[in-house]
Amino acid sequence: GQQLNQSPQSMFIQEGEDVSMNCTSSSIFNTWLWYKQDPGEGPVLLIALYKAGELTSNGRLTAQFGITRKDSFLNISASIPSDVGIYFCAGSLNSGGYQKVTFGTGTKLQVIP
Amino acid sequence: GAGVSQSPSNKVTEKGKDVELRCDPISGHTALYWYRQRLGQGLEFLIYFQGNSAPDKSGLPSDRFSAERTGESVSTLTIQRTQQEDSAVYLCASSAPRGSTYEQYFGPGTRLTVT
Repeated sequence: GQQLNQSPQSMFIQEGEDVSMNCTSSSIFNTWLWYKQDPGEGPVLLIALYKAGELTSNGRLTAQFGITRKDSFLNISASIPSDVGIYFCAGSLNSGGYQKVTFGTGTKLQVIP
Repeated sequence: GAGVSQSPSNKVTEKGKDVELRCDPISGHTALYWYRQRLGQGLEFLIYFQGNSAPDKSGLPSDRFSAERTGESVSTLTIQRTQQEDSAVYLCASSAPRGSTYEQYFGPGTRLTVT
């Protein structure tokens, strides 16, 4: 199935560092979503973005909906060990009430204490 | 409040047997999605239900896979004549009604192992 290009695929960082990851698509979306998945769990929604250019924060997390509607980034500031996990972006296009959602390939984050 | 629940949490089955996986969405969520996630991989879309509309089955990998949904509640994903490549975590998600937000909420998944 179709997937978004998400980068980086994985990253190792020191505790306290900031992290940035992004997602790009060849097609536009009208919603961008960012999820975190812990081992053995389902993905948990972190941030939802609904408007091109929108910048939204949730604690140490900040995400932006790109102006072109084809990209989004997620920043995590002052990382802590519990930030470890896999982060997925997802783009959604609502067409006539049909909510087709496409997921990115994931960014695996490891935090070194 | 109650989130999306799935059962069983783990299922081990022999190759060739049929399995049924169940999903209970969040009450009031008219949209329901099934995904497959192989070990270390991303989410692979399988099927999407929206209210009483015809489901989008475009992601089902073969005719051994089928899914049903009872109204706007429970859904079951059935895999017939299971193969070893069907081993994966099967995730269910639901989202809010049409015209509202498009945020999907996931269940914990069913880990399927085909031996």
